[in-house]
Amino acid sequence: QQQVKQSPQSLIVQKGGISIINCAYENTAFDYFPWYQQFPGKGPALLIAIRPDVSEKKEGRFTISFNKSAKQFSLHIMDSQPGDSATYFCAASMIQGAQKLVFGQGTRLTINP
Amino acid sequence: EPEVTQTPSHQVTQMGQEVILRCVPISNHLYFYWYRQILGQKVEFLVSFYNNEISEKSEIFDDQFSVERPDGSNFTLKIRSTKLEDSAMYFCASSGSSETQYFGPGTRLLVL
Repeated sequence: QQQVKQSPQSLIVQKGGISIINCAYENTAFDYFPWYQQFPGKGPALLIAIRPDVSEKKEGRFTISFNKSAKQFSLHIMDSQPGDSATYFCAASMIQGAQKLVFGQGTRLTINP
Repeated sequence: EPEVTQTPSHQVTQMGQEVILRCVPISNHLYFYWYRQILGQKVEFLVSFYNNEISEKSEIFDDQFSVERPDGSNFTLKIRSTKLEDSAMYFCASSGSSETQYFGPGTRLLVL
């Protein structure tokens, strides 16, 4: 019940296209859903996050869509650029206290120029 | 911009040896975490630490692991007797009053 399932495992998108990565969770106690971006040899860096009281959050070219009833959330990268090529992890946690992040399996995104 | 730092960046050790991984969290943060990432796999939670004690630990965090905040700035992860399967990237993270966890650059541990 602690799992977060992420798909696809890898994704290739042309420059300027839309990249979409999906995640699903089971634990309804989760109330914080961040996306992390990781470049090779680096630590994960927070990209954007959402709480379940809103259905969408947009920051620049990055948008999270959240469907509470389906227990799913997704990351949309508009106008994808070669610099967006990285591994993306969705995660979930409970806000209260020192709560662990439960990560998805990761999506390796490649943007072709 | 404040950041989490970790040392060393790489550590090679022999099986059965003890290793200590060091982290300096962001200075006003209250919550501290260790995660690990086996090559090509997802990031896995090991332990969280708050108010000088462990808040939560995973099944991975068995008796060979320990954490300590020896002073006001450092946060360490000790592996007492390393095994081959401990080879991974170890990330320290910290968070303050918000839920955002900031990750360090990691220590790549290789056990031979």
